[in-house]
Amino acid sequence: GAVVSQHPSRVICKSGTSVKIECRSLDFQATTMFWYRQFPKQSLMLMATSNEGSKATYEQGVEKDKFLINHASLTLSTLTVTSAHPEDSSFYICSASNTPNSPLHFGNGTRLTVT
Amino acid sequence: SQELEQSPQSLIVQEGKNLTINCTSSKTLYGLYWYKQKYGEGLIFLMMLQKGGEEKSHEKITAKLDEKKQQSSLHITASQPSHAGIYLCGAGSGSGNTGKLIFGQGTTLQVKP
Repeated sequence: GAVVSQHPSRVICKSGTSVKIECRSLDFQATTMFWYRQFPKQSLMLMATSNEGSKATYEQGVEKDKFLINHASLTLSTLTVTSAHPEDSSFYICSASNTPNSPLHFGNGTRLTVT
Repeated sequence: SQELEQSPQSLIVQEGKNLTINCTSSKTLYGLYWYKQKYGEGLIFLMMLQKGGEEKSHEKITAKLDEKKQQSSLHITASQPSHAGIYLCGAGSGSGNTGKLIFGQGTTLQVKP
C-alpha cells in the first residue's frame, strides 16, 4: 500500500517552455503532498508543501510564480515549471503519507533537462 | 533551523563487511527516518524511529536513535552489492507532525564484490 506515482519520469524541454509534472497517490488520499528538488550528488531540498484545496506553502527562496503547484484533488498534485531555463534542470520528486504518523512515500522522480 | 549532518559522505566496503552510517541533528529529533535511494530514482523507506533509545532491525539493517534523540546510526551487517546506494536520514522539521521532512546530505555506499 501507500504507492506514490510520478509522471513523467524524464522530460526534455526547450528554454522558455513550461513543463508539468504529476504526482498521484494511487491507493490512498493525500491532503498534503511535498515537492523536493535534488541536484546531482546532493540531498533533497524541500521546495513546497502542496495542500489540497488551498494554496501551496513554499520554502524560503523558492519562487512561487516559477514553480506553480496545484492540488485539485485528494490524489493528485501537479508541479509546473514555468518558463524553464537550463538552471531549472534537476531531479524533482514528490512525496505523501497516507496517515499523519506514517512515513513519507516517494514517487520515482522526474528528471528535467532544459536545453 | 534544524540541520542534519551525515557521516561519512561516502563509503566503499568489501562485500561481507559491516558498516555504520551516522546522522546527527542540531536539534531534538521528533521522528527520524532512514531512506535508501539509487541514483536518479525515488526513495525507498527503510525505518522510522521516534523514541529515545529505540532500535529497529530489518533483515541485515539496524537503526538506532540515541536517548537524547539527536543522533541516529544505521548499521549494515555482512554487506552485499544489493546494499549499494545512497542512504538518507530525514527528520520532521518541527515539533508537530506536519509530515514535512528535511534530509541529511546523504551517504553513498559502494559494496565491492
